[in-house]
Amino acid sequence: GEDVEQSLFLSVREGDSSVINCTYTDSSSTYLYWYKQEPGAGLQLLTYIFSNMDMKQDQRLTVLLNKKDKHLSLRIADTQTGDSAIYFCAESHSSASKIIFGSGTRLSIRP
Amino acid sequence: DTAVSQTPKYLVTQMGNDKSIKCEQNLGHDTMYWYKQDSKKFLKIMFSYNNKELIINETVPNRFSPKSPDKAHLNLHINSLELGDSAVYFCASSQDHTQGAEQYFGPGTRLTVT
Repeated sequence: GEDVEQSLFLSVREGDSSVINCTYTDSSSTYLYWYKQEPGAGLQLLTYIFSNMDMKQDQRLTVLLNKKDKHLSLRIADTQTGDSAIYFCAESHSSASKIIFGSGTRLSIRP
Repeated sequence: DTAVSQTPKYLVTQMGNDKSIKCEQNLGHDTMYWYKQDSKKFLKIMFSYNNKELIINETVPNRFSPKSPDKAHLNLHINSLELGDSAVYFCASSQDHTQGAEQYFGPGTRLTVT
């Protein structure tokens, strides 16, 4: 079946790195995504990774994929107050545009 | 120049009523979606249309009926509203329905059923 799991909360100090983890069950997943949802807003795609990659870096964001363990992580370097949001891990596979979302991780920043 | 817009932003109504939520995208995309986000922030796809044709229809009660008059619009009509329908409904669109096509989300419609 399809299942994507994340921890619900993460609190980090401003300036530290944040690491948000996700596990998924569908071994046929070929795209894995990270979306960001700010309060009162819709979801915004942050980054995505193909299943044949194990790492992708985009400025302060680093995505790591361990396909064997079906584990995806998002690292945000030098976390800022503007990074406060809910971060959703998601996956899709050969089933066209259907995306399965995790429950979201609420990231809060301490001064 | 909002890319994906939804109306209304808030909707409060009583059980048993019928209501509609409208969605429009000005991105020229072929594919549009409706998602439901419950109070625990769990987000689940409901429907997807590609060029006005239904391509994804998840296990959603028949009381929910999407309508796509053209590829820029996807409306959601809900009959006989129930308390459990209270949620935030998000519309999204993507260039096409190929895997990996980036989905752009609207701001959401918060539906409260009393």
